[in-house]
Amino acid sequence: SYVLTQPPSVSVAPGKTARITCGGNNIGSKTVHWYQQRPGQAPVLVIYYDSDRPSGIPERFSGSNSGNTATLTISRVEAGDEADYYCQVWDSSSDHWVFGGGTKLTVL
Amino acid sequence: QVQLVESGGGLVKPGGSLRLSCAASGFTFSDYYMNWIRQAPGKGLEWVSYISSSGSTMYYADSVKGRFTISRDNAKISLYLQMNSLRAEDTAVYYCARGSRYSGSLPFDYWGQGTLVTVSS
Repeated sequence: SYVLTQPPSVSVAPGKTARITCGGNNIGSKTVHWYQQRPGQAPVLVIYYDSDRPSGIPERFSGSNSGNTATLTISRVEAGDEADYYCQVWDSSSDHWVFGGGTKLTVL
Repeated sequence: QVQLVESGGGLVKPGGSLRLSCAASGFTFSDYYMNWIRQAPGKGLEWVSYISSSGSTMYYADSVKGRFTISRDNAKISLYLQMNSLRAEDTAVYYCARGSRYSGSLPFDYWGQGTLVTVSS
């Protein structure tokens, strides 16, 4: 089955740029989606189709996908961005959704 | 506005059964694929199952296949998850989430707040 690998944690100072990676075999050939989950809350879609933002998501959130790595980039990080972030792909070979293990973003 | 409200969670003994419900509102439920996703305490997200808008196509994670059954009642605007032969490792918050109108392989744009299932003797 397809596996997505994320770093368990990323730390960044306020105002700086955070980059959260999602690794998978030839993930560039798939479409990646990203979710933000704040403590005690349900996940929220923040990036879909690799780099599109749903309405209401700040422009500070962006995404890219190439080769074996997809990346969620958060510019000008704010305290409110502190959350767990999950990448997701559809594995057409198994007809399964796959989530990465999640990355905890800490704002220092 | 779109709302998804899960119910039916609780404490159940290993080997027992439970039926979760997800009441939808604010959109044309019968047009959309729907999903169940779970999150064990302190762990990450795990997709459980999806069902097509008509209810004719269902897929399951390997961890629940043969034990869980997803269904929907478009007239009652509700999604269900029948969980049988429950195990301790099924303990989690269960979320329902809306998929796409067009395909089961498009992302989840709305999620409920979840219902907790605890499997313990």
